[in-house]
This record gives sequence, structure tokens and C-alpha cells, in this order.
Amino acid sequence: DGGITQSPKYLFRKEGQNVTLSCEQNLNHDAMYWYRQDPGQGLRLIYYSQIVNDFQKGDIAEGYSVSREKKESFPLTVTSAQKNPTAFYLCASSMDWAGELFFGEGSRLTVL
Amino acid sequence: GENVEQHPSTLSVQEGDSAVIKCTYSDSASNYFPWYKQELGKRPQLIIDIRSNVGEKKDQRIAVTLNKTAKHFSLHITETQPEDSAVYFCAASFFYGGATNKLIFGTGTLLAVQP
Repeated sequence: DGGITQSPKYLFRKEGQNVTLSCEQNLNHDAMYWYRQDPGQGLRLIYYSQIVNDFQKGDIAEGYSVSREKKESFPLTVTSAQKNPTAFYLCASSMDWAGELFFGEGSRLTVL
Repeated sequence: GENVEQHPSTLSVQEGDSAVIKCTYSDSASNYFPWYKQELGKRPQLIIDIRSNVGEKKDQRIAVTLNKTAKHFSLHITETQPEDSAVYFCAASFFYGGATNKLIFGTGTLLAVQP
């Protein structure tokens, strides 16, 4: 069953801790993305990767880091430098750059 | 800078009525305009898209229109049903020179269809 899988679905973190969100896809897509969703603000791009071993900052990259060591994996680390990390995080992939996005089910991070 | 404005933020209609959501974009070079639907607690999914060489596209009860001169595009849902209740996002592609472009999303419209 092809798709894009995010884990964990819910995550709680104390202030000052880094946390890594997993994103795996078996669609053989080249491009992968991380978005942040906040109420009333739509989907904002954090990082994107067009190809393995390459990634670029999106609009709100500060306090986040990513890696793209494998085509199917694009993990996102929310660092302690992110001032307001509580949010819903969506990973997506697409066959072509800026083509149809296929989203994961999301990870909801709450910082206590 | 690049921007996509979406209106209204909330929309309530009676079952069977039509719903219209409007978006405007700032980059005249944008050429791809998708619409995503996100049901409560679920992932966004593409429902329809349009490219700049087309003025209108239909798929059963949904349609999208594009006015490149005015830089706006709209989603039209006819004969609304309760299962159409969701958040709808528009998006537009923006170019950064060469072949590099990315999607910018609107802020979303919460559509509630009252039975």
C-alpha cells in the first residue's frame, strides 16, 4: 500500500528539548516537504528537498533542521531554538517539483 | 513578496446550495493553482487544480475558474452535501528564477454545510 507515513502522531516535549519527527514515503517521489499548520495561518513551508542529499530552507526554517540521506526519508528536527514549536506538522511528497502534493497524516507537537 | 489571500475564512451554507471560495495571488508568473480539502483530523488532499493556459476546469460538482489578468481564482462547489464540510486551501506556484518554484498556500476556508 503506497503512501506517506508520519510518526509519531502525537508528541509532547519539555521546553529546551529537541525532538525529531519521522516522515517516510514509498511512492518513489523525488521531492519532499515539511509544512507547519497553525489555526488561521494555512500551511507554511519549513524545509523542502528536491533530491537526495539536498534540501533548502522554506519560509519559516529558523529553529528547524532536516536531512535527506535516503530518497524515502525526510526527518524534521524541532530544536530548542524554535520559539513557538507547538503546532501541527505535515510532511508531503511529490513526483515533480511543485506538482501534486501527497500529505502524511501529520504529527501534533505540544511543548509543555 | 509572494502572497496568496483567501476569502472567506469561514462559510456556512445550507445543503444543496452553492459555495464559492476566492483567492488572489501576487506573482503574475504563477502558473499552477491547486485546491486542497482537509477534513477534520485528516490530511489535506488535492481535489482540483488548474494551470494558467486554462480559464475553467470542472469535475462533477466542483469547478475552478482562473482570471490571470486580475490574478484571482475561485473554487465553486454546487449542490453542497454535508460531506463537503472541511477546510479548503488554495495555493499558487511562485518562481524564483530558472526552474525553481514552490507552492504558497492561502490561509484556508472552513466550509460548514448545514443539513
